[in-house]
Amino acid sequence: QVQLVESGGGVVQPGRSLRLSCAASGFTFSSYAMHWVRQAPGKGLEWVAIIWHDGTNKYYADSVKGRFTISRDNSRNTLFLQVNSLRAEDTAVYYCARRPTSASYYFDYWGQGTLVTVSS
Amino acid sequence: QSVLTQPPSVSGAPGQRVTISCTGSSSNIGAGYDVHWYQQLPGTAPKLLIYGNNNRPSGVPDRISGSKSGTSASLAITGLQADDEADYYCQSYDSSLSGNWVFGGGTKLTVL
Repeated sequence: QVQLVESGGGVVQPGRSLRLSCAASGFTFSSYAMHWVRQAPGKGLEWVAIIWHDGTNKYYADSVKGRFTISRDNSRNTLFLQVNSLRAEDTAVYYCARRPTSASYYFDYWGQGTLVTVSS
Repeated sequence: QSVLTQPPSVSGAPGQRVTISCTGSSSNIGAGYDVHWYQQLPGTAPKLLIYGNNNRPSGVPDRISGSKSGTSASLAITGLQADDEADYYCQSYDSSLSGNWVFGGGTKLTVL
């Protein structure tokens, strides 16, 4: 069965960095585009970034552009999100999610999330 | 401010029918992009409930349905059960934004 397991969250000071990971199993990871979606405490869902199955294309939400970098290692079935210059408003649970096909604009499987807290 | 607009809350008694609306614009739902729905139980990750306006993934009961018309969509739940109590989010794609995958603000469903 499809499994997505995020890790790497924690408490970090403003301006610092973290690297989030998402370990995938149960499907051919290298065939699927992958997303990061975040949810601030008590708030709704916000799309963050997408990376194509082969890493050739990456797109970001305006709120993170220039500070976050999405990447992947298909040999290790792992998705990453490098988060730099963190701000208080980046505090959220970060979910990785799968794009089911190249023609689909939704998320069919989600991980359980990893919490990033930005605080001094 | 979310790109898609949902009511903050809806409620219903067990066995009743509730609907949750999702209103967009000419650059997302009205442009022909599909609407998808997610259920988020307290303390858990979102789960896909409806995709492509009215399709249910395997395991989602047929008392849950979706529809789309013009710049709006709706999620309907009939035969309301206690474990339907959750947050529900609509989602679509927007051609006018760089943050193209857009969500509604979410609707809290309370089973009375």
